[in-house]
Amino acid sequence: NAGVTQTPKFRILKIGQSMTLQCTQDMNHNYMYWYRQDPGMGLKLIYYSVGAGITDKGEVPNGYNVSRSTTEDFPLRLELAAPSQTSVYFCASRVEIYGYTFGSGTRLTVV
Amino acid sequence: AQKVTQAQTEISVVEKEDVTLDCVYETRDTTYYLFWYKQPPSGELVFLIRRNSFDEQNEISGRYSWNFQKSTSSFNFTITASQVVDSAVYFCALSRFGNEKLTFGTGTRLTIIP
Repeated sequence: NAGVTQTPKFRILKIGQSMTLQCTQDMNHNYMYWYRQDPGMGLKLIYYSVGAGITDKGEVPNGYNVSRSTTEDFPLRLELAAPSQTSVYFCASRVEIYGYTFGSGTRLTVV
Repeated sequence: AQKVTQAQTEISVVEKEDVTLDCVYETRDTTYYLFWYKQPPSGELVFLIRRNSFDEQNEISGRYSWNFQKSTSSFNFTITASQVVDSAVYFCALSRFGNEKLTFGTGTRLTIIP
């Protein structure tokens, strides 16, 4: 049981480039989330999904897009990367009653 | 709006000492959840506890204990007989009942000195 898998673990992007952060869970969880963690800060919610085909904005959605075509996958798209998007990105999933399961994170640097 | 405050940015204690990490929260909801997560140097987030707002019983799990006081909006975390492996950043978080979008505090970096 792999839990929540994020790829890649590290990435360096140039300003203006685009990329997709992948997130897959094998626990059949309906709820999935994307958070970012800036240095010395707590995590902030970017986008979330309550099920396949349903997504909604979190606290800091600007510059990002998501899709949820299947229960398992919840990719995060960065368009026109900016230095302000340098952060560690965490994907998470959960099922009712229980706590979140987080992925191991993607460390992204935009230069 | 919800808010979580962890006023202690960094704490250092000598191994085997007890240490308490403070968490104060703000919410207008009457029902909500509180969480603690551990982030060791390797970077992953490890779930420690989830407590709902209508259960004010304190909880103990091994060397860990949590004190939830609704009257002071606090959910403090105590590690007894600390060990070097407890060195990590600890996050307190809050969510609304039913959707569980987490609002995190800024974390407390705990260093246990051997």
